Formats: sequence, C-alpha cells, structure tokens
Amino acid sequence: EAGVVQSPRYKIIEKKQPVAFWCNPISGHNTLYWYLQNLGQGPELLIRYENEEAVDDSQLPKDRFSAERLKGVDSTLKIQPAELGDSAVYLCASSLGGQVNTEAFFGQGTRLTVV
Amino acid sequence: DQQVKQNSPSLSVQEGRISILNCDYTNSMFDYFLWYKKYPAEGPTFLISISSIKDKNEDGRFTVFLNKSAKHLSLHIVPSQPGDSAVYFCAASARGGSNYKLTFGKGTLLTVNP
Repeated sequence: EAGVVQSPRYKIIEKKQPVAFWCNPISGHNTLYWYLQNLGQGPELLIRYENEEAVDDSQLPKDRFSAERLKGVDSTLKIQPAELGDSAVYLCASSLGGQVNTEAFFGQGTRLTVV
Repeated sequence: DQQVKQNSPSLSVQEGRISILNCDYTNSMFDYFLWYKKYPAEGPTFLISISSIKDKNEDGRFTVFLNKSAKHLSLHIVPSQPGDSAVYFCAASARGGSNYKLTFGKGTLLTVNP
C-alpha cells in the first residue's frame, strides 16, 4: 500500500515569491494534517482536515498561508508571499480520522528554503 | 509553553545495551501517547503507542511505559541496534472532540554505537 506522498521533496525560492506543496494521503484516510517542522524542533500542526472540512486551522498564519482539500482527498498548502522565516520542512500526514484514536502516517516532507 | 517535553536532546548507548528515552507532559487531558522515529531526510515513522488506560505496551524490542500520576512516559529499546540510531519524538493527544491533534516534543537523537 502506498504511503503518504508529498511533492516536491525540495524547493528553493526567493523571498516574496509564492510556493505550493502537494500531498496525497493514504487511501481511505479521512483526516489529513499539515505540520511544520523547524530545525531542532518537533512537528507543529498548521491545519487539520476531516474530509474536505478544515476543522482546526488555528495555527495557520492566514495572512500568507492557505490550504485546500478539494473532494476530501489530495491537499495543497500555499504560501504567498514567502518570507525567510518560512524555511522549514513541511510535513503532511493522514490518519483514519473520526473519533478513532490512531496513529498518523507521515510523508517524507518538503524542505523549503527561502533565500 | 511546551506541553510535551523531551529534556534530553541526545543519548548515546552501546550496541546490545538498553536505550531509555524519556518524555514528560503537562496537559492532563492527554490520554493517548505515541513514539515516532525519524531518520534524516525522511518523515517521522510511527513506532509504538499507549493508551492512558494502560501502563505498559510492548512490541518486540520496544516497550513504552506510562506513569500517569507523574505525567511521564518512557521508551525502552532492548537490545539497542545501530539501525535504531535516529531522532525519537514523543507525541500526545486527547481523544475525541473536534480538536484532536498530535502535540510533539522536540525529539531526542539516539546514537547506538557498534
């Protein structure tokens, strides 16, 4: 079974440019997460989807970050415009969702470097 | 305010010996705990979990112990192998509700020396 797929793996952009990340979760997983991981830190939640609904986006900097999960499957995370401080690894994860407390499965992440 | 704390940034052990990684939490609503392992340039991989109704869960060489009164959990790896060298993240969540999410610690880098 395929795991969580993210693309691209690496991205280098100049500040003030837009950037987008894509995630395909594990088939059948209703819950999708975007996490941000800074160097030396643990992952921090940006947004959580239950199917196509964003049920927790309290940590998403909405002035420059946006996300969507059309049709409740794939998801994209966008930053516009990017700032130097956005350099980090962006992780997508999925889980069965609902009230079931199961582990989340992570993709390999996208390492963003803003120069 | 860090709700999940891993106070040891790194740990070094000899192959064949026991590795003990520790984790403390402050949120009394947490009732499900997980350990993830992360190799460089890869995403975190689920390792083992424990529900708050248990105090121990074992899976092969990996055992997680939970002490609810102390708000402390630990991961034991016995025997440690060089391939176990990775960053280990402790994570916690609160069951149910609309605010379910994993809260991670900062991680502990484990190095197992041959």
